[in-house]
Amino acid sequence: DAGVIQSPRHEVTEMGQEVTLRCKPISGHNSLFWYRQTMMRGLELLIYFNNNVPIDDSGMPEDRFSAKMPNASFSTLKIQPSEPRDSAVYFCASSLRFKESEAFFGQGTRLTVV
Amino acid sequence: GENVEQHPSTLSVQEGDSAVIKCTYSDSASNYFPWYKQELGKGPQLIIDIRSNVGEKKDQRIAVTLNKTAKHFSLHITETQPEDSAVYFCAATLVTSNTGKLIFGQGTTLQVKP
Repeated sequence: DAGVIQSPRHEVTEMGQEVTLRCKPISGHNSLFWYRQTMMRGLELLIYFNNNVPIDDSGMPEDRFSAKMPNASFSTLKIQPSEPRDSAVYFCASSLRFKESEAFFGQGTRLTVV
Repeated sequence: GENVEQHPSTLSVQEGDSAVIKCTYSDSASNYFPWYKQELGKGPQLIIDIRSNVGEKKDQRIAVTLNKTAKHFSLHITETQPEDSAVYFCAATLVTSNTGKLIFGQGTTLQVKP
């Protein structure tokens, strides 16, 4: 298996633009997580899904952030409009029904908003 | 909600020495405590985990201990090698049939000097 696949690996955008990050979880995994990593705040959980359904989005910082999981093999995290303080590395992770199961992380998307 | 504190933030040891990283958690209901290693430019990878019904677990040069009464757990790396240099994260969560969001500590940057 190729593991969790995220795209793009790097994204540079101008303030105010819409940004869409993509994630393909490991086949067969039914829990998916979006994390944001910054030096100041470390790894923050933004949202997670079980069986494509959002279970907890309390970590989503603002209404500018939204996430979808239209099917078991694809998820997006969208920021609209983007701001410089959104600059961070965004990780997607998946696990086999989060019940004492390892969460596998993707390589991350480094987002820079200028 | 759960809160995880991790210490130290940086740790430098000589090759062959031991390294210890400590974490405390706030939610006494948490029952799953994984440790992740993150190398530069990569996503975190699980290296060892422990569940609340176990006090200690060992896997070759790494071991984790859990003190439920004091609500703290520790990672021990013996005979450190330069390739152990990375950022290490502890995490805690309450795993149930429907939930299991990992809350991470702030991370420890471990440097092993040859």
